[in-house]
Amino acid sequence: GESVGLHLPTLSVQEGDNSIINCAYSNSASDYFIWYKQESGKGPQFIIDIRSNMDKRQGQRVTVLLNKTVKHLSLQIAATQPGDSAVYFCFNDYKLSFGAGTTVTVRA
Amino acid sequence: DVKVTQSSRYLVKRTGEKVFLECVQDMDHENMFWYRQDPGLGLRLIYFSYDVKMKEKGDIPEGYSVSREKKERFSLILESASTNQTSMYLCASNAGPTETQYFGPGTRLLVL
Repeated sequence: GESVGLHLPTLSVQEGDNSIINCAYSNSASDYFIWYKQESGKGPQFIIDIRSNMDKRQGQRVTVLLNKTVKHLSLQIAATQPGDSAVYFCFNDYKLSFGAGTTVTVRA
Repeated sequence: DVKVTQSSRYLVKRTGEKVFLECVQDMDHENMFWYRQDPGLGLRLIYFSYDVKMKEKGDIPEGYSVSREKKERFSLILESASTNQTSMYLCASNAGPTETQYFGPGTRLLVL
């Protein structure tokens, strides 16, 4: 069956460092991927998306990389800030699947 | 500004009670979704709807039903609440299958 998983459930990052959050998916029919950020007490919010015809997309301080060969998705956050502390989910359009989430904690 | 609202932030119910969770979106979106979120399991899709009066089962529909009588409103119903339905419930909507989902703030339900 389909699985959308994140490699690590938690990530602790020093403020100012770069963060990398990983996600694996199992179905090659997946065409559209989204990273969501969920802050405490709120619903998930869109960060950045990428379609399967791309392998990289950049936003403000965030970059998403897609490796279709190994079915791997990553989110890179540059110069991590305290406001980046949250749970991050990867999502793909195949069966509307979310991963279990990675909790990012930023150390001052 | 897009908005998805849920009727309650916190809810406490007793086993066997019928529970209604309401969700309203003001973006004229076609699709609406109900998820539950549990520690270590992420978001799991319960039901979704792609049009008024239409519904599709997600990954974990057992013990739940839904209603979509109007485009802007999608209700999740627990016919007879059980303790294993204690969870955070999130509603979302989007304009199409490959569009971003916009989420409500969630309803934390405790079933005693």
